[in-house]
Amino acid sequence: DTEVTQTPKHLVMGMTNKKSLKCEQHMGHRAMYWYKQKAKKPPELMFVYSYEKLSINESVPSRFSPECPNSSLLNLHLHALQPEDSALYLCASSQPLPDRFRGNIQYFGAGTRLSVL
Amino acid sequence: SQQGEEDPQALSIQEGENATMNCSYKTSINNLQWYRQNSGRGLVHLILIRSNEREKHSGRLRVTLDTSKKSSSLLITASRAADTASYFCATRNTGTASKLTFGTGTRLQVTL
Repeated sequence: DTEVTQTPKHLVMGMTNKKSLKCEQHMGHRAMYWYKQKAKKPPELMFVYSYEKLSINESVPSRFSPECPNSSLLNLHLHALQPEDSALYLCASSQPLPDRFRGNIQYFGAGTRLSVL
Repeated sequence: SQQGEEDPQALSIQEGENATMNCSYKTSINNLQWYRQNSGRGLVHLILIRSNEREKHSGRLRVTLDTSKKSSSLLITASRAADTASYFCATRNTGTASKLTFGTGTRLQVTL
């Protein structure tokens, strides 16, 4: 099973709402990632979790709050978002450490298309 | 920005032709990977080339790497309409552990 599952597929929220994005993988990967992608742009890294601990925060505004409850699940809690936060949010997973043999190949979910009104 | 540059930004070819896209990056790397993204979907890993390798093949894909020029190319031979997608190079830079840095991407359109 090489699947990363993201829910929901689409989300529309107002600027005062609180919502959560969910990501799940059962490949035994111990690194999980959140990316933000705007149209016709590459993915931008937001957060990296390694062994359920936050290892990288790319200076993301506090209205985005990640959580890794266990090795298979990754959440992104959203609160008081702005219209410019509308984007495709991608989750990915990989083996966590510098791995000379596997090279940090990342497996991506299909994404959540978020619209902030 | 550490982001790599890809060219062309967009490429339109006919089915059966070859497609070549190029990637340049800025720092020393452990490896370089290519990913494909169908419209509005997740990315799919295609191929990985390590910093000590110069060329790699996988099916209809051929990747080259020139670390002296900090550049890579992806060749798709005998293209098909199903190859229509955006293609991104991604580098795992030395010292950055689990982090990949993605290039700006090439949008490939293959017409019948």
